[in-house]
This record gives sequence, C-alpha cells and structure tokens, in this order.
Amino acid sequence: AQTVTQSQPEMSVQEAETVTLSCTYDTSESDYCLFWYKQPPSRQMILVIRQEAYKQQNATENRFSVNFQKAAKSFSLKISDSQLGDAAMYFCAYRSRSGGSNYKLTFGKGTLLTVNP
Amino acid sequence: NAGVMQNPRHLVRRRGQEARLRCSPMKGHSHVYWYRQLPEEGLKFMVYLQKENIIDESGMPKERFSAEFPKEGPSILRIQQVVRGDSAAYFCASSLQGYNEQFFGPGTRLTVL
Repeated sequence: AQTVTQSQPEMSVQEAETVTLSCTYDTSESDYCLFWYKQPPSRQMILVIRQEAYKQQNATENRFSVNFQKAAKSFSLKISDSQLGDAAMYFCAYRSRSGGSNYKLTFGKGTLLTVNP
Repeated sequence: NAGVMQNPRHLVRRRGQEARLRCSPMKGHSHVYWYRQLPEEGLKFMVYLQKENIIDESGMPKERFSAEFPKEGPSILRIQQVVRGDSAAYFCASSLQGYNEQFFGPGTRLTVL
C-alpha cells in the first residue's frame, strides 16, 4: 500500500519570504500523480499543484512550484513571495495512474503553515 | 457553474442517533468519492460510487456506515447509531471519470455528543 509522509507538522514563514514544505512517499508503482492541496480555516480543499510522475519537468503554478525527485520519492512544495492568504494546512497526496485503484487519493497528515506579517 | 455541494455543513448528533450527509456532485459528474478527516489527520478514502453502483467501499467501516448514489438526487453517506469516534469532517469529491481530477466539496463537520 502507498504511504505519504509529511515530516513537518508546522512551519512558519515571514511575509514575502520563501518556504519549502516536505513530502515523501512510498510506492512500488511507476505511473502515478502527486498533488499538493491547501486547506484554509474554511476547511475547503483546494488543489494547489499536481505533478505527473512521467514528466521530468517540475510543475509550476505562479508562486507555487515543486521539486519532484522520483528516485528519492520526494515531492516538496516551494511557496515564493509568501502572502498572508497562504496560511493554511497543506496536504501532500498520491494517486496511482495504473491498476484498479487509480481514483483513490492517499493523503499525508498535513503541514500547518503560518505566515507572519 | 456550482461546485460540489455538501449539506449540512455542520451536524450535531447524540450517541445512538443517525447521521445523513448529502453530496451533490458538480454538473456532469457521475463519479463521487467520500473521504473522512479525523482531528489532526489527513483525509482518508472511504468509498467510491457511480450512479446506482458502489465501486469501492474498502475504506468504509463494515458496520453502521453505508453510502448510496441514486439515479436521481444526491449521494448520501449514512451513519447509524453514531458514536463519539465518528466525530470528524466528511468530504465529498466528484469527477467526470474515475481517473480525472477530483473536485472537493466544503465538507460536513459531524460532532457526536
């Protein structure tokens, strides 16, 4: 079974600075997707960024980018120019793209990000 | 173009009562997923349904929990004889196909007194 580990329960960053959230995962599959979700105090789950494992290029969405290291099974999220609205719980998630469970998302326990003004 | 809708947003039940959580998928989506988020935890998969069919219920407790997605109307997650350990946030997601991106609803927070 796949597992997702987020080793940082909490992180903080100064407004306008850069922060990196860590995520590692364990899988024996070669074809999968990785995601970062943001959960603000409203609890709504918002997709921040996704990475297909077959793509070598790291995904980027405006101020959000990932460092995907497939061999190391590492998938970190970098937030540049942090804003107060970035404060939230961030979840890393895995989904297989093959086999019979290619719909099931497996989440880490989350990292609570605080942004200091 | 409404997103995934869940109601109620907050539900309070006493031990032994029944809880019914509703989820209306995005327009055009016929695949629905339920996840549970316990305090201090990430979301955990419970069940995957298509219209009138349960595809995968491997994450759902064997007793007291059931889910349906009828031909007409919302998907329902039903918890009978609730216990304090059922207190959690329950999220519904929907997708166009089973392998497409899942869009999440705002969740229902269940509190069992």
